[in-house]
Amino acid sequence: GENVEQHPSTLSVQEGDSAVIKCTYSDSASNYFPWYKQELGKRPQLIIDIRSNVGEKKDQRIAVTLNKTAKHFSLHITETQPEDSAVYFCAASKGTGANNLFFGTGTRLTVIP
Amino acid sequence: KAGVTQTPRYLIKTRGQQVTLSCSPISGHRSVSWYQQTPGQGLQFLFEYFSETQRNKGNFPGRFSGRQFSNSRSEMNVSTLELGDSALYLCASKPGPGDTGELFFGEGSRLTVL
Repeated sequence: GENVEQHPSTLSVQEGDSAVIKCTYSDSASNYFPWYKQELGKRPQLIIDIRSNVGEKKDQRIAVTLNKTAKHFSLHITETQPEDSAVYFCAASKGTGANNLFFGTGTRLTVIP
Repeated sequence: KAGVTQTPRYLIKTRGQQVTLSCSPISGHRSVSWYQQTPGQGLQFLFEYFSETQRNKGNFPGRFSGRQFSNSRSEMNVSTLELGDSALYLCASKPGPGDTGELFFGEGSRLTVL
């Protein structure tokens, strides 16, 4: 099955700096890569996703890049704000409607004001 | 629209007991999946149901089972509870095949096994 590794497990940045979280996957057939944000005590929520037919996607301060050859993808958050503090999970799956997402172990991001 | 609703939110059981967790998906969503969240392992896929049929199953022992009803509500059951089953169990729904892929999670059921 798919194996998703995520690094780092914890990340602290100063407010206004950028944060980068990296993930690798093992199954070359995976073609859907979402990122979920989970604030303390709350449910995970999708913040951005990318499919294997594109290399980069941006949404305001958040961007995701995908390197299919190397089988890794990354989340980039620019101009970090305290409300960005949360646990971020990357995931991978196959198929457009696949529900069995394979998640990374999460990155706890702390933005220091 | 109401979000995904999970009950109970918190429960405490002892080893050897069994537990049933319930999930009501967003209205109109026909696909329901379950995940186990633990501090060290992140979110691990348990199983996924669509139209009352299990479509996918994760790598969990047979003590973990689930089902989906005709109204898309789902239940999962864990029998012969072990200490290691202590976790947050998250349910997620989505419309079904051909959707965007986004999972809508509930707030979870936190199970503590003593």
